[in-house]
Amino acid sequence: DAKTTQPNSMESNEEEPVHLPCNHSTISGTDYIHWYRQLPSQGPEYVIHGLTSNVNNRMASLAIAEDRKSSTLILHRATLRDAAVYYCIPGTSYGKLTFGQGTILTVHP
Amino acid sequence: SQTIHQWPATLVQPVGSPLSLECTVEGTSNPNLYWYRQAAGRGLQLLFYSVGIGQISSEVPQNLSASRPQDRQFILSSKKLLLSDSGFYLCAWKGSIGAYNSPLHFGNGTRLTVT
Repeated sequence: DAKTTQPNSMESNEEEPVHLPCNHSTISGTDYIHWYRQLPSQGPEYVIHGLTSNVNNRMASLAIAEDRKSSTLILHRATLRDAAVYYCIPGTSYGKLTFGQGTILTVHP
Repeated sequence: SQTIHQWPATLVQPVGSPLSLECTVEGTSNPNLYWYRQAAGRGLQLLFYSVGIGQISSEVPQNLSASRPQDRQFILSSKKLLLSDSGFYLCAWKGSIGAYNSPLHFGNGTRLTVT
């Protein structure tokens, strides 16, 4: 399985953009890159996923490097409700997703 | 719309007692089903997954077992709980069609404390 590297923690101010990086240098050519987030005492929540092209949805944008060895989750305007642990995960067969430690995002008012 | 139900929300059990956690999915057919565990302050660990009735794949050897008696029902069991079985147990599903890249949907979890 591909390994990922994410910063342990990041901080942001409310209403500012947040860029959460992820390195996945060993990702295979067919693995999608998935992002989930987990609020305290809740199950993880799907945020976004992509293969090669940049992706946008109502929650966030995903920028994928041309060599696919890294990606960045972009929250355009952070809110207090965005404070969570963010996981970057390469997809595998049967959808088995291996969660790492993720990045703890703190949003300051 | 699809929903996932997981119960109970919290559970306190003595060492050596049996365990049965149930998860059901509504609004979809033939989902892929997953059990994850999260120990305090740590990431999620995949325990079991199933791509169909009666089909169970175990990711980590342990004191637990899983069963899928019906298409949308996934059960996590133990005959004798250990202290190390304490944690936050999460059930998840994803659509089998396009499973390679369809998102996982998680339940609200069961917080198990073994005393």
